[in-house]
Amino acid sequence: DAGVTQSPTHLIKTRGQQVTLRCSPKSGHDTVSWYQQALGQGPQFIFQYYEEEERQRGNFPDRFSGHQFPNYSSELNVNALLLGDSALYLCASSLAPTLADYEQYFGPGTRLTVT
Amino acid sequence: DQQVKQNSPSLSVQEGRISILNCDYTNSMFDYFLWYKKYPAEGPTFLISISSIKDKNEDGRFTVFLNKSAKHLSLHIVPSQPGDSAVYFCAASTAGNTGKLIFGQGTTLQVKP
Repeated sequence: DAGVTQSPTHLIKTRGQQVTLRCSPKSGHDTVSWYQQALGQGPQFIFQYYEEEERQRGNFPDRFSGHQFPNYSSELNVNALLLGDSALYLCASSLAPTLADYEQYFGPGTRLTVT
Repeated sequence: DQQVKQNSPSLSVQEGRISILNCDYTNSMFDYFLWYKKYPAEGPTFLISISSIKDKNEDGRFTVFLNKSAKHLSLHIVPSQPGDSAVYFCAASTAGNTGKLIFGQGTTLQVKP
């Protein structure tokens, strides 16, 4: 049973550039959430996609955008990168809108470094 | 505004003893609480959860206690094993936003052989 996969593993970008991170959910899951984890902090919710639409959004600027495809995979796009965007970006999948939506399965993350 | 707080950055216990990890929250609308464990270079792994209508949930060596009046929950691991050494995150969610988990800062647990 394939778990949540993310690509790439690591990424180095320059300030002002744009980046796209990718996620494939756990087999059978149809909802994808994205989190940002800064060093020494817990994950912070960015947004969630279900049925190819943004369902919920956290306190992140519009520079952060996403997309979900018909096969439930998802992309996170960040424009005009800032040094403060350097973090581990985690993708989580779940089943919505059941109670199991609370229990999310995380991928290993993409480590983004902005220089 | 940190709605979920884990005030102990680290905890060290001896193998076989009890590990107690604590978590406090401020939002009384939270109705579901979860604990995740994270090893280096891996994503968080779901460990155990509890609904706000309960005060205790047990799963093998892991027990979560919820004290709603104190807005406090704790995770007990008995007996602790070296393989339990990891970062533990407390998370919470509300009925209207089931997919949005609010995480604490994490507590690093070290279990010494």
